[in-house]
Amino acid sequence: QSALTQPASVSGSPGQSITVSCTGTSSDVGGSNYVSWYQQHPGKAPKLLIYDVDKRPSGVSDHFFGSKSGNTASLTISGLQAEDEADYYCASYTSSSTWVFGGGTKLTVL
Amino acid sequence: QVQLVESGGGVVQPGGSLRLSCAASKFSFSGYGMHWVRQAPGKGLEWVAFIRFDGTNKYYADSVKRRFTVSRDNAQSTLYLQMNSLRSEDTAVYYCARDGRDKGLDYWGQGTLVTVSS
Repeated sequence: QSALTQPASVSGSPGQSITVSCTGTSSDVGGSNYVSWYQQHPGKAPKLLIYDVDKRPSGVSDHFFGSKSGNTASLTISGLQAEDEADYYCASYTSSSTWVFGGGTKLTVL
Repeated sequence: QVQLVESGGGVVQPGGSLRLSCAASKFSFSGYGMHWVRQAPGKGLEWVAFIRFDGTNKYYADSVKRRFTVSRDNAQSTLYLQMNSLRSEDTAVYYCARDGRDKGLDYWGQGTLVTVSS
């Protein structure tokens, strides 16, 4: 049950787009359509942004976009806003019927 | 709006036990699987355990297997996590989260802090 691999940090200016990668194996990301993304502001509980690789829950802004290729999932945030500054985590269901999170990525809006 | 409220956290000595609770409301608790996820201070999220809607199947992270037990009382709309043989590395905020039926962990509580220290 090794954590999925995410970059520790990414940054971008307001209005720009950024992408956060999430790399796993064929036993999790590569073999599952149950990949999700979560946003966490300091001191707050995580919030679901993306589920099933590329679906947004009701109420989540459409400037969050999820995708997957092979063993790597990606979260793209377009038109960066100051309030997007947060930590982002990917998660995947695994072939062992467990779940695994990524190590998290800190997004800084310059 | 779905509500999940954790309780039971506190300070416990290494080797000790603690039981966390998660009170659910404003949704049909008995129809949803539930997760426990933890976050050590300054660290990332770590999935801990999952229990099916009817309690028939339970899954655990290797790091807590044979020490932690997840259970639920659907009549009381409450999720539990019994934690035994606690170690310093179990120190974390523990969140309960609803499994959105293949739609991710769609609702989270605010968490309860467990500190394992002598």
